[in-house]
Amino acid sequence: GAGVSQSPRYKVAKRGQDVALRCDPISGHVSLFWYQQALGQGPEFLTYFQNEAQLDKSGLPSDRFFAERPEGSVSTLKIQRTQQEDSAVYLCASSFSSGGVYEQYFGPGTRLTVT
Amino acid sequence: DAKTTQPTSMDCAEGRAANLPCNHSTISGNEYVYWYRQIHSQGPQYIIHGLKNNETNEMASLIITEDRKSSTLILPHATLRDTAVYYCIFYSGGYNKLIFGAGTRLAVHP
Repeated sequence: GAGVSQSPRYKVAKRGQDVALRCDPISGHVSLFWYQQALGQGPEFLTYFQNEAQLDKSGLPSDRFFAERPEGSVSTLKIQRTQQEDSAVYLCASSFSSGGVYEQYFGPGTRLTVT
Repeated sequence: DAKTTQPTSMDCAEGRAANLPCNHSTISGNEYVYWYRQIHSQGPQYIIHGLKNNETNEMASLIITEDRKSSTLILPHATLRDTAVYYCIFYSGGYNKLIFGAGTRLAVHP
């Protein structure tokens, strides 16, 4: 079946531009996560949704980062006024349930380069 | 946040078993150990998880020590396609937020 998809796969933005990154989770998955992965590092948690509710945004690095999942399926991560330090791969993952022991399924990521 | 310790890198010959260790001395009694791997330019992929008992699936085996302070992921017959970064994680929070470390870079060579 279809996995998690993300678009675009690559994005180049000039410093100061706004960007929007899209995630299509596996159909029916309740939980959705965003992670940021800098070059050579492991992914770092950004935010978590349970259906449409954003229950944890403790990992968002600044108020320039905003995420939404208005209908409990597709999610968008928006970065305003991009800075060079925002350059990274942004990974989306979904999971069947919000509790218990369920693995997360990751998308291929969006590589953001801020010039 | 949850902390694990893994070797930075390991090598393995194709067809041999790859044994990847992980120390997690601060794990709590109800926290599961998860293993994920990340092949170059792809998102992480779930491999296996366990609580106390040893586990096996079609991809790998997981051996957890009796005190639960360490575990070993075993790939029984490594192939070139197993070259990846392997992450040992124990989940933090009720909704399985994953805290990744630096992982182990496994290189499988012919």
